[in-house]
Amino acid sequence: QVQLVQSGAEVKKPGASVKVSCKASGYTFTGYYMHWVRQAPGQGLEWMGRINPNSGGTNYAQKFQGRVTMTRDTSISTAYMELSRLRSDDTAVYYCARGAPTYSSSWYVDYWGQGTLVTVSS
Amino acid sequence: QSALTQPASVSGSPGQSITISCTGTSSDVGSYNLVSWYQQHPGKAPKLMIYEVSKRPSGVSNRFSGSKSGNTASLTISGLQAEDEADYYCCSYAGSSTGVFGGGTKLTVL
Repeated sequence: QVQLVQSGAEVKKPGASVKVSCKASGYTFTGYYMHWVRQAPGQGLEWMGRINPNSGGTNYAQKFQGRVTMTRDTSISTAYMELSRLRSDDTAVYYCARGAPTYSSSWYVDYWGQGTLVTVSS
Repeated sequence: QSALTQPASVSGSPGQSITISCTGTSSDVGSYNLVSWYQQHPGKAPKLMIYEVSKRPSGVSNRFSGSKSGNTASLTISGLQAEDEADYYCCSYAGSSTGVFGGGTKLTVL
């Protein structure tokens, strides 16, 4: 069965960086896009970007360009999302989510990680 | 990109049907048949309910259906049940390999 297991909660100071991991199992890691979505407390979902685990190619939301870096390690089927220059309004639950097959032009996510709470506070 | 526009809340009684709208622009919803819908219960990760405007993933009840007209997509839930009470989010491809979510709609089953 498809599983996405994320790293644990983080507390960071403003200006610092955070790196969240997402270990995939139950499917061919390099065959599907991996998206990152965040949700601030009491707020809606926000798309951050995606990575093609096969090529390493990335696409980011304009809002996060220059601050977010998505990478992957195919040897351990793990995707990473690093967000730098953290601000208090970056406090949110960050989700990884499996997207469509990399050969496909479709756009959806069908399996989600459990979420990682990142708290930014001085 | 700006978030897609959804009503903040909708409500209905058990057995009734409700529809949640999702309005975008000609740059996202209006240009691509790549709208998806997600259900989220409190404290849980979202769940895919509809993809590519009207397709249902395996295991999702046929009480859930999707459609699109112009720049507005819609999710209809028929035969409303108590367990349908949740937040619902639409998402659309927005071009240039980017996506955008709606602001979310809280569904209350009366």
